[in-house]
Amino acid sequence: DAGVTQSPTHLIKTRGQQVTLRCSPKSGHDTVSWYQQALGQGPQFIFQYYEEEERQRGNFPDRFSGHQFPNYSSELNVNALLLGDSALYLCASSQGPNQPQHFGDGTRLSIL
Amino acid sequence: GENVEQHPSTLSVQEGDSAVIKCTYSDSASNYFPWYKQELGKRPQLIIDIRSNVGEKKDQRIAVTLNKTAKHFSLHITETQPEDSAVYFCAASGSGGGADGLTFGKGTHLIIQP
Repeated sequence: DAGVTQSPTHLIKTRGQQVTLRCSPKSGHDTVSWYQQALGQGPQFIFQYYEEEERQRGNFPDRFSGHQFPNYSSELNVNALLLGDSALYLCASSQGPNQPQHFGDGTRLSIL
Repeated sequence: GENVEQHPSTLSVQEGDSAVIKCTYSDSASNYFPWYKQELGKRPQLIIDIRSNVGEKKDQRIAVTLNKTAKHFSLHITETQPEDSAVYFCAASGSGGGADGLTFGKGTHLIIQP
């Protein structure tokens, strides 16, 4: 039974570029949440997708956007990259909102 | 929005002793409190969780207690082992009207001394 999978594992971009990160939820899960984890900090909630809609959003600018597909997989898009966007981006899936969330290994994004 | 405070930031205990990590939350509407363990370079792993209708929950050497009145919850690890060394995060959610992102504490680095 595959867990939460994320791609790519590492990514290097330059300021001003755009990036797309991908997440496949655990089998049987229909809800995907995205988090940003800076070095030495706890994860920060970006947004949650359920039934292909963004249902809740954390304190992140509109440069951060997402999508959920009919097969429950999800993408996180970040436009106009800033140096401060360098972080580990984690995807978590659950069997519905407000259910236990299980994390993937994350995508390490470095902005030069 | 929700704010979660976690203490201590670093905790060093002798192997075999107990470890306690404490968290407080600000939003009385929060109703779900998970704990995650994150080893260096790895994903956060859910180790135990508790909902607001329960005061305590145990799973082998790990237990979590919740005091809704005081808005604090704690993780207790007994008979600590070297493999318990990691960063532990508490989190809270449930005030989002059904769509629930987790608000995390800043983490506790638990060091088990041999």
